[in-house]
Parts: sequence; C-alpha cells; structure tokens
Amino acid sequence: QKEVEQDPGPLSVPEGAIVSLNCTYSNSAFQYFMWYRQYSRKGPELLMYTYSSGNKEDGRFTAQVDKSSKYISLFIRDSQPSDSATYLCAMSRPQGGSEKLVFGKGMKLTVNP
Amino acid sequence: DAGVIQSPRHEVTEMGQEVTLRCKPISGHNSLFWYRQTMMRGLELLIYFNNNVPIDDSGMPEDRFSAKMPNASFSTLKIQPSEPRDSAVYFCASRGGGTVQNIQYFGAGTRLSVL
Repeated sequence: QKEVEQDPGPLSVPEGAIVSLNCTYSNSAFQYFMWYRQYSRKGPELLMYTYSSGNKEDGRFTAQVDKSSKYISLFIRDSQPSDSATYLCAMSRPQGGSEKLVFGKGMKLTVNP
Repeated sequence: DAGVIQSPRHEVTEMGQEVTLRCKPISGHNSLFWYRQTMMRGLELLIYFNNNVPIDDSGMPEDRFSAKMPNASFSTLKIQPSEPRDSAVYFCASRGGGTVQNIQYFGAGTRLSVL
C-alpha cells in the first residue's frame, strides 16, 4: 500500500461548480498536510497547508484534514477556468532528523467556461 | 527573490549522451531537492541536500545518476549515459531552514527527452 493515495482523475466540471479533491494516507506519522497546484508546464506551487485536523479556509479554497480517518480534502468553491491545473496533495513526516515530503500522484482538473 | 531557477528548460538528447541539469535555489534556503515527474509514477524524490551535504539519495534510480551541490547557490544533476526511459520532467526545489511546515518551493522544471 502506498503511503499517499490520490485519485488521478481527470476531473472536468463547469464553471461555478464546487470541486472536491481527496487524498488518503496510511502512515500516522504524517504531521503537516499541503496542497500544491501545478499549471501545465510549470512547477508545483504551494496552495495551502495545515497541521491539525479540521478546516482551513483561504478565499474560495478550503483544506480539510481528518487525522482519525487519515483523509484530507481540498474544496474549491465557485470554480473558475483559471483553476484548471493539476492538484497534488503532499504530507510531511519526520525521517532521519529531517522531514520527508510525500506527494500524491496529482489530480488533473479542468473547469469549463 | 527570483525563486528557484532551473536550466535548461528543455533538453533533447540522444541515447548515450551525458546530460547535466542545473539548479539555483532560493537565496538563504539550506535544503535542496531533486525530483523526477512522469505520468506513470508522479513526482518522485531523487535526492536531497542539507547545507550542501547529500542526506538521502535512496531515490536515485541507478549509478548513471549523480548529483552535486558544490555551494549553497548551485546544484547539478547529471545522467551519464542517458537512456530513453530517463525522459521526464526534472524539478529542483528548495526549503528554508527553520521552516516548520516543510514547505518546498519548486523551479519551473527541465523537460528532458532522450531519443
């Protein structure tokens, strides 16, 4: 079983839809949870991060973490064509005195005008 | 800050040739990471450096791959000899010291095609 599982999609939605992206993980040692957004032919850029269980909101984006279920989600409200990108979940855990970041495979999202 | 800078952006080479990818991390960051991204395997960590010292190279696929960080502002990833299965996008990322959340900042990547 992989440490981090993410449905690769792709996912296509109409403009204005609510989008839900999800990842599950198997290792309880993960402490920090992040979502990266990657536009075509660009590098991943950090979108949101959180540490504790619960919700964190930033504009149209909400990150949700449920440590008891080992499940994280990213919600996008009022989705826009500019949100079309690949979204990667990432989780951090201690390893050898440092922190190891493990990524999901990424979900490609297309928002159609 | 200009962010993480990678060069070249695109590289097309023939099988058997040596390939060198370059990275300049964000000034002041003390950790540097090399990743490879493919459709099949997603984003894979190849190696990372802390204070210019290689810490974990367990992701380097084989001896054909090598990485160096001679100083805090420069790193290279070399493939010699290159093979078609090395075709992928290679990313460099850096992280600042004391960043509790382990946030990594990525460059734009080098798209490598080995023919």
